[in-house]
Amino acid sequence: GIQVEQSPPDLILQEGANSTLRCNFSDSVNNLQWFHQNPWGQLINLFYIPSGTKQNGRLSATTVATERYSLLYISSSQTTDSGVYFCAAPKTGANSKLTFGKGITLSVRP
Amino acid sequence: DAGVTQSPTHLIKTRGQQVTLRCSPKSGHDTVSWYQQALGQGPQFIFQYYEEEERQRGNFPDRFSGHQFPNYSSELNVNALLLGDSALYLCASSFRDRITDTQYFGPGTRLTVL
Repeated sequence: GIQVEQSPPDLILQEGANSTLRCNFSDSVNNLQWFHQNPWGQLINLFYIPSGTKQNGRLSATTVATERYSLLYISSSQTTDSGVYFCAAPKTGANSKLTFGKGITLSVRP
Repeated sequence: DAGVTQSPTHLIKTRGQQVTLRCSPKSGHDTVSWYQQALGQGPQFIFQYYEEEERQRGNFPDRFSGHQFPNYSSELNVNALLLGDSALYLCASSFRDRITDTQYFGPGTRLTVL
């Protein structure tokens, strides 16, 4: 099955700093999702990005499918960005089971 | 537009007991998937239901079973609870025919087995 690896495992930032979170996957995928899990456990969809670049406010993501990696950029970080960031890829189509990485724990300090 | 809902939010059980968790999908969605998230880990796929049948299954024992109702809502049942079943259980919904759609997650049910 697909293997998903995320790095770094932990990240500590000062408020206002920028960061890059990386996701590597073992096989070709036709979908990749980024999630933010808040302290209450809710997984919030950030990006559905099988390839290319998307931006949403201070967040942007880039997937290079041919090289099997995706990057999540956070600019001008805020304390509310703290939490765990997961990337996940499905086995086949978007509706098939998602394989998650172990997550990146981000702490943004005021 | 109602999102994915799950009940209960928290549950405490003892070893050997049985538990039922419930999920209502996002409006317009017909597919429900269940995931188990142990502390400090990423979610692990349990199974997926579509048209009231189990369509895909992850590496979980038969103690984990489910059901989907005609209104697309779903239940996850776990029998003979073990301490290791303590986890956050997440439900995700999607629309089967939209192969490029994302899966949307509910807030989860936190199960503690004592």
